[in-house]
Amino acid sequence: EVQLVESGGGLVQPGGSLRLSCAASGFTVSSNYMSWVRQAPGKGLEWVSVIYSGGSTYYADSVKGRFTISRDNSKNTLYLQMNSLRAEDTAVYYCARAPTDDAFDIWGQGTMVTVSS
Amino acid sequence: DIQMTQSPSSVSASVGDRVTITCQASQGISSWLAWYQQKPGKAPKLLIYAASSLQSGVPSRFSGSGSGTDFTLTISSLQPEDFATYYCQQANSFPLTFGGGTKVEIK
Repeated sequence: EVQLVESGGGLVQPGGSLRLSCAASGFTVSSNYMSWVRQAPGKGLEWVSVIYSGGSTYYADSVKGRFTISRDNSKNTLYLQMNSLRAEDTAVYYCARAPTDDAFDIWGQGTMVTVSS
Repeated sequence: DIQMTQSPSSVSASVGDRVTITCQASQGISSWLAWYQQKPGKAPKLLIYAASSLQSGVPSRFSGSGSGTDFTLTISSLQPEDFATYYCQQANSFPLTFGGGTKVEIK
C-alpha cells in the first residue's frame, strides 16, 4: 500500500527545535518530488518546503533559514528539521508526494506541532 | 508570489445541486492548477490536477476547467459525502500557494 506516516510532532517552547519524520511505503521517496504542507488551527493550507528527486530544495519565505528539508534514502523517509520555532509555526504538518511535480496525490495523516511557553 | 483567490468562501447547497467554485490566480499559471477536498480532521485529497484531469478513483461528478488565470471546480450533483472544504493550489512557481478554501455546507 502506498502511504506516508508522519511522526515527531509535539509541544515545544518558542525558540526550540523539533524534527518531523515522514516514513513512506509502497514507493521510493528519493524518486519523487516531496513536500511539507502545514495548516494552522482553523486555517487554510500553507506550503512549507519541497525537495526534488535530484536533491534541490525550496522553502516558503516564512520558514527560510529556520527549517531544513532532507531525506534518508536508506530509510525511505523524509524529514523536516525545524529550528527557532515561533508561535506562528503552530500547525498540523503534512508530508505529501507530487509524482508529476504539479499536484500532491498522497498525503500523510499529519502531525501536530504546538509552539507555546 | 502568486495569489490564489477562491470564491465563494462558503456555499450552502442541497443534495443533487450543481455547485461551482472559482479560483483566480494573480498572474497566469497556464494549467498548473490542482483542486483538493478536505474533511475535518483529515488530510486533503487530490481531486483534479493539471486544471482539468480527474485523479484516479475520483467520481466523475467532479470536473475542472480553465487556464491562465481563471479556473473552476464543478460538482455536477452534490452527494452527502461531498460536504467538505475545497482548495485550489497553483504549481506554476515557488512558493506554491493555495486558495483560501471554499466550505460546502448542507442547506
